Amino acid sequence: DQQVKQNSPSLSVQEGRISILNCDYTNSMFDYFLWYKKYPAEGPTFLISISSIKDKNEDGRFTVFLNKSAKHLSLHIVPSQPGDSAVYFCAARNTLNYGGSQGNLIFGKGTKLSVKP
Amino acid sequence: GAGVSQSPSNKVTEKGKDVELRCDPISGHTALYWYRQSLGQGLEFLIYFQGNSAPDKSGLPSDRFSAERTGGSVSTLTIQRTQQEDSAVYLCASSLAPGTAYEQYFGPGTRLTVT
Repeated sequence: DQQVKQNSPSLSVQEGRISILNCDYTNSMFDYFLWYKKYPAEGPTFLISISSIKDKNEDGRFTVFLNKSAKHLSLHIVPSQPGDSAVYFCAARNTLNYGGSQGNLIFGKGTKLSVKP
Repeated sequence: GAGVSQSPSNKVTEKGKDVELRCDPISGHTALYWYRQSLGQGLEFLIYFQGNSAPDKSGLPSDRFSAERTGGSVSTLTIQRTQQEDSAVYLCASSLAPGTAYEQYFGPGTRLTVT
């Protein structure tokens, strides 16, 4: 069963508008969440993260919101730029060594974002 | 500075053959992870190394998969008697330490195709 779910495989947004990427999780033991961006033929690159003790983290055009009661997080990109077009992965971690592994990330399947000029 | 490197970038092999995939982590990173991404799927954790501790192999899908990390640096993932379902992009990542806020830095991956 998937512990981290990204239910939208793709999203298309006009340049300058807001992109909202969503992620749901099932494991209440997750205490750290990350977003990675992946271009074709490259490895994922870290974008932004949030600890479970916070509900918002902002870095420039990128903001991640966490709703623990709903087990939901979202990534907002505003304004969206064509260079943001990539696959975005949501990832979660239980730093308390859940499952016997310290620090490995549980990834969603990704959402492909296309920003149209 | 140099990032995580992986070789080869692409590998095509026949079913039943063994393959070795290599990962060079960022210098000084003690934690090393292997993941794979099958078509249409997210990244699936395979194995994790931390310093000189015994590796966490909980994600390996079968006993055909094994990995080692020599001298706390370079790691090799070996797949024996490859099957078509092993076809995927195999990604290596490293981080300064495990369980920290830390981002994991990923290599570009090795695309494995089993024919």
